[in-house]
Amino acid sequence: QVQLVQSGAEVKKPGASVKISCESFGYSFADYAIHWLRQAPGQRLEWMGWINTGNGNPKYSQKFQGRLTFTRDTSAATAYMELSSLRSEDAAVYYCARDYPFRANCFDPWGQGTLVTVSS
Amino acid sequence: EIVLTQSPATLSLSPGERATLSCRASQSVSSSLAWYQQKPGQAPRLLIYDASSRATGIPARFSGSGSGTDFTLTISSLEPEDFAVYYCQHLSSWPFTFGQGTRLDIK
Repeated sequence: QVQLVQSGAEVKKPGASVKISCESFGYSFADYAIHWLRQAPGQRLEWMGWINTGNGNPKYSQKFQGRLTFTRDTSAATAYMELSSLRSEDAAVYYCARDYPFRANCFDPWGQGTLVTVSS
Repeated sequence: EIVLTQSPATLSLSPGERATLSCRASQSVSSSLAWYQQKPGQAPRLLIYDASSRATGIPARFSGSGSGTDFTLTISSLEPEDFAVYYCQHLSSWPFTFGQGTRLDIK
């Protein structure tokens, strides 16, 4: 069964960084890109970027350039997202999602989500 | 950036009824559009891609149509488990954006 399992909820102070993991099960990790998205309360889903899990090349949405880092560990079948210089508007549920095998750039499955709270 | 606008914001229907949800893009996305379902406390689930192709395991009561700027998700006969929030997403260029969602409520 294809599954993505994310790390647990985080509480961070403004200006800090957060790093979330996304472990993959049930398929060949390096064969499909991993995307990162977030959903703030009452807001629409927001795509943050993706990482080519084969060669490690990331692509970031311009909105997050300079604050966002994607990495991966193929031996652990795990992708990571680190967001720095956190501000209150970064509070959201963060998701990883795999590229759908039959159509790139749509997302299935998704991880369960990681709640990030930003509070002083 | 392509802006997707969904309508209506909320749709109240009864089980067995037909649901029609709309998504309009600010510029043409050809057929590069997907639909997702999200239930409370859960991650979204892919329903439709390329405007009209059902994802693996999605029941036949879900169908999609449209191209260019206007798209429709139809649920032919609502089941109790279909009451959720539905989002459209374009696949045509970075950044991939989503609509604001349509909440499908039980009447």
